[in-house]
Amino acid sequence: KAGVTQTPRYLIKTRGQQVTLSCSPISGHRSVSWYQQTPGQGLQFLFEYFSETQRNKGNFPGRFSGRQFSNSRSEMNVSTLELGDSALYLCASSFTTQEGYTFGSGTRLTVV
Amino acid sequence: GQQVMQIPQYQHVQEGEDFTTYCNSSTTLSNIQWYKQRPGGHPVFLIQLVKSGEVKKQKRLTFQFGEAKKNSSLHITATQTTDVGTYFCAGLDTGKLIFGQGTTLQVKP
Repeated sequence: KAGVTQTPRYLIKTRGQQVTLSCSPISGHRSVSWYQQTPGQGLQFLFEYFSETQRNKGNFPGRFSGRQFSNSRSEMNVSTLELGDSALYLCASSFTTQEGYTFGSGTRLTVV
Repeated sequence: GQQVMQIPQYQHVQEGEDFTTYCNSSTTLSNIQWYKQRPGGHPVFLIQLVKSGEVKKQKRLTFQFGEAKKNSSLHITATQTTDVGTYFCAGLDTGKLIFGQGTTLQVKP
């Protein structure tokens, strides 16, 4: 079956702009989580959605937001981009949070 | 909130040597998961441990979950160059999967 698909793969944005990243989970997976990965901070939890509801949120500022649609596809948005937002953004899906996650290949965001 | 610590941060071994990474949580875990991320890749799920004292094997990889469910380890016997990558443990904290910082393994052929 198809894996987790994230688009776009690479993105370059300017400080102050906003960006929207997309994630299509594995068919049948209703839980979608987002992570920010940087060399210094590792994998940081952003938020988790389940059946269109945000169930958990990490310690990120309100500039980071997300949503999930009825078909389980998810988007995350970052407004007023800062240089420190440059990172690999990973989406992961699972059937339930008690099972292992399947990660997408990520979106590499560079803020200049 | 929960913190998951992993040691060592880096490990360089000669091919054929063994490798172990350790994971410790500040709180009791309901389960622990292990992932591997190859250079330039994304994390790939390896295994989940649920029971206290559980030991699971996958070929040359042995995973253990501590009796108190607050620590875990991954041991690789006779490393190969294909084992190169970063190994992460992750624990569930009120629905959030919290990752350790990872151990990066380099294997010299």
